[in-house]
Amino acid sequence: ETGVTQSPTHLIKTRGQQVTLRCSSQSGHNTVSWYQQALGQGPQFIFQYYREEENGRGNFPPRFSGLQFPNYSSELNVNALELDDSALYLCASSLRPVRENTEAFFGQGTRLTVV
Amino acid sequence: GENVEQHPSTLSVQEGDSAVIKCTYSDSASNYFPWYKQELGKRPQLIIDIRSNVGEKKDQRIAVTLNKTAKHFSLHITETQPEDSAVYFCAAPTRGADGLTFGKGTHLIIQP
Repeated sequence: ETGVTQSPTHLIKTRGQQVTLRCSSQSGHNTVSWYQQALGQGPQFIFQYYREEENGRGNFPPRFSGLQFPNYSSELNVNALELDDSALYLCASSLRPVRENTEAFFGQGTRLTVV
Repeated sequence: GENVEQHPSTLSVQEGDSAVIKCTYSDSASNYFPWYKQELGKRPQLIIDIRSNVGEKKDQRIAVTLNKTAKHFSLHITETQPEDSAVYFCAAPTRGADGLTFGKGTHLIIQP
C-alpha cells in the first residue's frame, strides 16, 4: 500500500449539488495532485498543490477547486455537479512537484456518481 | 500541452510470452516517463519509470526503453504470468501544468 488515503470511498450526489473529497498524503510528501478517471479512460490531471499553493492546473473549469492544509492533506471541491462529473477521483502524493521528476503514489480513489 | 498516445488498446498474449506496449509523446522537453499498472477496481500503481538521461531501465521481468529523438518509450514484460493481467498506463509531465498526462491505457490479457 502507498500510505495515501482518500475519503469517502463512494459517494452519490444529485446534479447541481456540491461535493468535497479528501486526501491524506504519504508521510513526508508535500505535493498532492488530483486526477479524474472516467470509466475506461486514463486519469486526467485536475490540479496540483505544493506547500499549500496551487502550482499547476489541467483543463478543468473553475468549479473544480482545492485546498492543501499545513499537514499537506488536501481537499477537492466540485460545485454545481454535472452528470459528466461521475468518475473515479484519484489523489497522488509525491516528495516534490512532478516537474522535478519524482514518483507519484496514488490513493485508492473516491467513486463519485452524479444522478 | 503534452499529448501522449498509447498502443495497443488491448493486448492478448500467451502465458510465458513477452508483451510490449508503446507510447509516444509530443513535448520534447519532457524528461520523466512513468508506467502505472491498474487492476480492476484498484488504484494505479507505479511499476517502473525512466528519466531522460538513460535509454533503458530494467526491474526483474519489466523493462522500459526511451528514444528521445523519436519521442517514444515502451514497456516490455517478459515471461508473462496471469497476475500481469491489468490495464497499463504510460504518462509524461504535463507541460506548464506540473501534473502528469496519461495515455488511454492498454488492457493486457494473459491467456493460460
